[in-house]
Amino acid sequence: GENVEQHPSTLSVQEGDSAVIKCTYSDSASNYFPWYKQELGKRPQLIIDIRSNVGEKKDQRIAVTLNKTAKHFSLHITETQPEDSAVYFCAEGGGADGLTFGKGTHLIIQP
Amino acid sequence: GAGVSQSPSNKVTEKGKDVELRCDPISGHTALYWYRQRLGQGLEFLIYFQGNSAPDKSGLPSDRFSAERTGESVSTLTIQRTQQEDSAVYLCASSPFVGLAHNEQFFGPGTRLTVL
Repeated sequence: GENVEQHPSTLSVQEGDSAVIKCTYSDSASNYFPWYKQELGKRPQLIIDIRSNVGEKKDQRIAVTLNKTAKHFSLHITETQPEDSAVYFCAEGGGADGLTFGKGTHLIIQP
Repeated sequence: GAGVSQSPSNKVTEKGKDVELRCDPISGHTALYWYRQRLGQGLEFLIYFQGNSAPDKSGLPSDRFSAERTGESVSTLTIQRTQQEDSAVYLCASSPFVGLAHNEQFFGPGTRLTVL
């Protein structure tokens, strides 16, 4: 993996609204795109991942979309809840190397 | 089952001293990764092991950093002659790497290193 850009760095939404976080990458060999959630003082934990052979994956309120042509992928959280407040990291990997992480998005859910 | 463990959880050292950080991956996980996370920052990839071999050392910041893994299990990250900019949380992760397909990385709780 090479560069991964993640936007926005901070996102504040009203409870119940949707949140979207976007990432772009540069390595055309990338084939694995996970999203991690990190609560304050805790370790990152995988919330959803997608491989390059699909364009979208959903798990309850969380979905990820992938556009390989444009080299971007997005995390969508619907019906946001206070416990969704955390830092979210996108990452990409391809071949036999480590993951390259984005710089993170601090998601704040306003009550 | 047991997750990834790291020790120590906290380490305070004086500038110039060497430190050794330990990671115990999930049993059977062939891939092991080290990352550095400075306060409020993202995850910076350091090094990756497949078995006991490190095919990718590109992330190590300087020759003061080294890592090894033995028995396809425990890994140690050593930082020699520590500097204040080495202060960070060092996270280890393991993965049941299968062929060339990436799988979920399971993170340890991290070691918080403070260099005075």
